[in-house]
Amino acid sequence: AQSVTQPDIHITVSEGASLELRCNYSYGATPYLFWYVQSPGQGLQLLLKYFSGDTLVQGIKGFEAEFKRSQSSFNLRKPSVHWSDAAEYFCAAVAYSGAGSYQLTFGKGTKLSVIP
Amino acid sequence: GAGVSQSPRYKVAKRGQDVALRCDPISGHVSLFWYQQALGQGPEFLTYFQNEAQLDKSGLPSDRFFAERPEGSVSTLKIQRTQQEDSAVYLCASSLARAPGGTIYFGEGSWLTVV
Repeated sequence: AQSVTQPDIHITVSEGASLELRCNYSYGATPYLFWYVQSPGQGLQLLLKYFSGDTLVQGIKGFEAEFKRSQSSFNLRKPSVHWSDAAEYFCAAVAYSGAGSYQLTFGKGTKLSVIP
Repeated sequence: GAGVSQSPRYKVAKRGQDVALRCDPISGHVSLFWYQQALGQGPEFLTYFQNEAQLDKSGLPSDRFFAERPEGSVSTLKIQRTQQEDSAVYLCASSLARAPGGTIYFGEGSWLTVV
């Protein structure tokens, strides 16, 4: 079955420290991959996406992600975290689901807390 | 508007009441999705429309849930005889693409609480 796994439920980092959020996918072929961020009471904001080509993808707010086919991973990174980055982060993959339909499948999310 | 718009933003329903949640996708977007997000969980797929055609409703949890998009733009998610387990955020999303490969934009969600 197609799935996306985020192994870390909750991560706490100090402001200014680097960050890496893990994401693994299980699909028959390489899906299209996304990272979204959700602040409390808000909808999902797209941080970045990977469709093909360069395996290092740059996104908004200083985030980047690296696609590694050999590890079925798409980890999100940021060199220096700001207090405003505290939020829930979701990795997602999109693929056909049959009969002309397609859908995003999300991981369960990683909650990021930032210590001032 | 520039983004996906959902209404109402907040809804409190008494158990057994029917509710209707509206989604206005980005103008011209062909694909429309509904997701359900329980507290502390990731969004779960409910249904997918391509224009007015509902191509996938495999994620609808029961026959109490019904979605439509009659003119290929605005969509409504209807929940009949609401139960407490229906309490969640209902997210609508849209995309210009008919196939995987386009950006999918989300609305801010409709927060449903069933009491």
